[in-house]
Amino acid sequence: DAGVIQSPRHEVTEMGQEVTLRCKPISGHNSLFWYRQTMMRGLELLIYFNNNVPIDDSGMPEDRFSAKMPNASFSTLKIQPSEPRDSAVYFCASSPTPLGSRDTEAFFGQGTRLTVV
Amino acid sequence: DQQVKQNSPSLSVQEGRISILNCDYTNSMFDYFLWYKKYPAEGPTFLISISSIKDKNEDGRFTVFLNKSAKHLSLHIVPSQPGDSAVYFCAASGADGLTFGKGTHLIIQP
Repeated sequence: DAGVIQSPRHEVTEMGQEVTLRCKPISGHNSLFWYRQTMMRGLELLIYFNNNVPIDDSGMPEDRFSAKMPNASFSTLKIQPSEPRDSAVYFCASSPTPLGSRDTEAFFGQGTRLTVV
Repeated sequence: DQQVKQNSPSLSVQEGRISILNCDYTNSMFDYFLWYKKYPAEGPTFLISISSIKDKNEDGRFTVFLNKSAKHLSLHIVPSQPGDSAVYFCAASGADGLTFGKGTHLIIQP
């Protein structure tokens, strides 16, 4: 398996534009997570899906952020409109075990570095 | 308020010596702890973990110690090698999923 695949690797966009980040989890994993990494706050969980259903989106910073998982092999994180403070590295991760169970080990993608100017 | 804290943003260790990375947590409901390693431009990769029912787990050069009463865990790397230079994230697993610390940048000096 190629692991968790994220695209694009880098995204530079102007303030106000819509940004869509994409993720393909590891086949067979039924949990998917979106994380954001910044210098100030480290790694923050934005949203968690289990079996394609959003379970916990309390980490999503604002209504400008939305995430979907239309099927088991694809998820998107959308920011509309984007702002400079959204600049960060966004990681997608998948896990074969449900959230909160023991031995929860998440496998991370390489991340998307987003820069909003 | 951060539930998982790594108070040292960076740590410099000489090659061959022991590296000790520390992590403190506040939520007593965490029941599983993990360490992730991250190289530049890559996603974090799982390194080693420990259940809350244990106080030590060893895997080759890596050992994780858990002190539940102090809500403290540490990662020991011995001997340290140049390839160990990376950012290390401590993570705790609970009902809300994985909560990460901000990371410690370990630099192994030749």
